[in-house]
This record gives sequence, structure tokens and C-alpha cells, in this order.
Amino acid sequence: QKEVEQNSGPLSVPEGAIASLNCTYSDRVSQSFFWYRQYSGKSPELIMSIYSNGDKEDGRFTAQLNKASQYVSLLIRDSQPSDSATYLCAVINTGTASKLTFGTGTRLQVTL
Amino acid sequence: GAGVSQSPRYKVAKRGQDVALRCDPISGHVSLFWYQQALGQGPEFLTYFQNEAQLDKSGLPSDRFFAERPEGSVSTLKIQRTQQEDSAVYLCASSLLDYIGRGQFFGPGTRLTVL
Repeated sequence: QKEVEQNSGPLSVPEGAIASLNCTYSDRVSQSFFWYRQYSGKSPELIMSIYSNGDKEDGRFTAQLNKASQYVSLLIRDSQPSDSATYLCAVINTGTASKLTFGTGTRLQVTL
Repeated sequence: GAGVSQSPRYKVAKRGQDVALRCDPISGHVSLFWYQQALGQGPEFLTYFQNEAQLDKSGLPSDRFFAERPEGSVSTLKIQRTQQEDSAVYLCASSLLDYIGRGQFFGPGTRLTVL
């Protein structure tokens, strides 16, 4: 079992809809959770971080964390074609000196 | 302020050649990480520096890979006797010293192609 799992997609949503991206992790001591966006041929860009259970909102983005179920999700409201990218879920585990463990990413396509 | 910079952006090497990849972190960032990203995969951890100390090199795939950060700022990742399986994008990231992780900021990467 991979430490961080994501559906590779593509996830296709129409412009203006809500895109829901999911991620599960295996290590119960995972303590910090991140969503990175990566455009094709570019490097990952940090868009959200979340550390405690519940929701965290930033503009059109909402991160949700449920440690009991070991999942973290990202909602993108009012999806735009410019949101089309690969979204990488990453976790930091206690005692690993802040190294990120990434999932393989979910490719999101926002259609006109 | 400037972000993380990496050079070269692209490197083509013949199998067996040595290569050196450079990373300039964000000024003041104590922590520096190297990751390797294969096509269609998420980045995989290689090594971590806190200032000039290499605290974790558990992700380096073989003893052909070597990294240094002698003055606690610029870092170099060296790959000796390159093999085709080394072809990947090598990403450098830096962050403040923060064990919960406020987030790492990535450079543009170096795309290495080994022929």
C-alpha cells in the first residue's frame, strides 16, 4: 500500500462547477497535509496546507481533513479552465524532519 | 523577493557521464530538500539539509548520488556515472525551519535526460 494515494484521473468538470479531489494516507502519525498544483512542465506550487481536523478555506479553495478516516480533500469552487492541472497531495509524518511524501497526483480538466 | 532557482534547467548527458545540478534556495530558508520526479509520478524525496548539515539522505537511490551544501545556502546534487534510469526532473525545495511544515517552495527543476 502506498503511503499517500490519489486517483490519477483525469477528473473532468465543467466550468463553474465544484471539483472535488481526494487523498488517503496510511500513516496515522501524519501531522501536516498539503495540496500542490502542478501545471504540465512546471514545478509544484503550494496552494493549501491543513494541520487539524475540519475545513480550511482560502478563496475558491477548501481543504478538508479527517484524521480518523485518514483522508484529506480539496474542493475547488467555480472551477475555471486555468485550474486544469495535476493536484498533488502531500503529507509530513512526525519525526521525518519535514520531508514531504507525495501521492501520484490527480489530473483535473475543467471543460468549457 | 526571489524564489528558489535551479540550474541548468535542462541537461542532456551521455550514459556514464557525471552531472552536477545546482540549487539556490530562498534567502533565509534553513531547510533545503531535493526530490526526484519521474514522468507521471509525484516527487520522491532524495535528501534534506538543515543549514550545512545533511540530516537525511535516505532517499538517495545509490552511492552514485551525492549532495552537499557547504555554506548552508547553495546546494549541489551530483550524479556520477549517469544511467538511463536517472532521467527525471530533479526538484529543489526550501523552507523555514519548522517541524510542522509551513510548506516547501519548489524551484523550476532540472530536467535530466540520459542517453
